[in-house]
Amino acid sequence: SQQGEEDPQALSIQEGENATMNCSYKTSINNLQWYRQNSGRGLVHLILIRSNEREKHSGRLRVTLDTSKKSSSLLITASRAADTASYFCATDADRGAQKLVFGQGTRLTINP
Amino acid sequence: DAGITQSPRHKVTETGTPVTLRCHQTENHRYMYWYRQDPGHGLRLIHYSYGVKDTDKGEVSDGYSVSRSKTEDFLLTLESATSSQTSVYFCAISEGLAVLNEQFFGPGTRLTVL
Repeated sequence: SQQGEEDPQALSIQEGENATMNCSYKTSINNLQWYRQNSGRGLVHLILIRSNEREKHSGRLRVTLDTSKKSSSLLITASRAADTASYFCATDADRGAQKLVFGQGTRLTINP
Repeated sequence: DAGITQSPRHKVTETGTPVTLRCHQTENHRYMYWYRQDPGHGLRLIHYSYGVKDTDKGEVSDGYSVSRSKTEDFLLTLESATSSQTSVYFCAISEGLAVLNEQFFGPGTRLTVL
């Protein structure tokens, strides 16, 4: 089963609105990463948040991590058409492993 | 794409034929990874390498082998391709351990096994 699972699977909003995606995981983690994938392209790293951090910002992106709930959220503010993409969270499968496990992603569509 | 190329970008082959996909990096990163991406499954790790001649299995390694004879090249081989291996294959690299560092992804190879 997937370590990270995104919710919702698909999200459609109007340009200028904020988009929020969530990721839940099952076991304790060292850190959690978010990636973006534009259609037909490889994944692009967005942000890494460590297990001892609660919030992190990068431009219009805000990531929160709640280790007690084993969940993370990615907020994109003031969305643009170029934000249309799939967004994936990735975590280490367990604290002893050295491999990332990706969720199935949230498909975000920004409507003009 | 952070100095990562994959070849070929598209390939159509027949069941039972051998197929080799190549990943080439110019970043001199130690770690290299092969993933496959399928609808409903997200990205799944096939094999990874933590140095020249050092490789390990991932989540879905059956039917695949890898080799890394040089830092810059990581080869993925399907010894006898099956239709279930039809997928998009991504190579990724990281300077350090993937769980501690960001990964950089190549553009992908779309493989169709008929």
